[in-house]
Amino acid sequence: EAGVTQFPSHSVIEKGQTVTLRCDPISGHDNLYWYRRVMGKEIKFLLHFVKESKQDESGMPNNRFLAERTGGTYSTLKVQPAELEDSGVYFCASSAQGFWTEAFFGQGTRLTVV
Amino acid sequence: RKEVEQDPGPFNVPEGATVAFNCTYSNSASQSFFWYRQDCRKEPKLLMSVYSSGNEDGRFTAQLNRASQYISLLIRDSKLSDSATYLCVVGGGTSYGKLTFGQGTILTVHP
Repeated sequence: EAGVTQFPSHSVIEKGQTVTLRCDPISGHDNLYWYRRVMGKEIKFLLHFVKESKQDESGMPNNRFLAERTGGTYSTLKVQPAELEDSGVYFCASSAQGFWTEAFFGQGTRLTVV
Repeated sequence: RKEVEQDPGPFNVPEGATVAFNCTYSNSASQSFFWYRQDCRKEPKLLMSVYSSGNEDGRFTAQLNRASQYISLLIRDSKLSDSATYLCVVGGGTSYGKLTFGQGTILTVHP
């Protein structure tokens, strides 16, 4: 069975440009999460979808970040316009329905804003 | 103060050694506790969940002390393949599903 897949694996963009990250969760997983690791810092929560609904978006840094999960399948995270401090590794994770079922992580998208 | 605090290390130990990692968390409402392992430039992977009664999985033993808000991981008979970053992760509190990560402890096992 395929794991969590993320596209692209790397992205280098200029400040002010727009980037869209994509996450395909494990098939059948209702829960989908976005996390981010900025260099030298711990992995931090961005938001949580349950199916297509945003359960918790308390970790989203500001309104330049927009996450969607139309149809409750794959999710996108758009950053517009990108700033230098947005650089980092963006991880997506998914888990099955229920509380505290194991979260499986994708390999991440390494975003560099120059 | 960080929500989850870990000693970042690095820990450098010889094969066969026993090594222990500790972690403290600040949110007393936390409900779930985990150790994840992350290899260089890879995604975090669940190593084990942690329970108050303590749990063991082969060479790995995890303990939780809710009163002290303290989590530990013990690795016995270290292997070269254990070299990785070990992440203390806490879930729950005000938001179900959200995981809060420590900064990670780097372990290098050498021959």
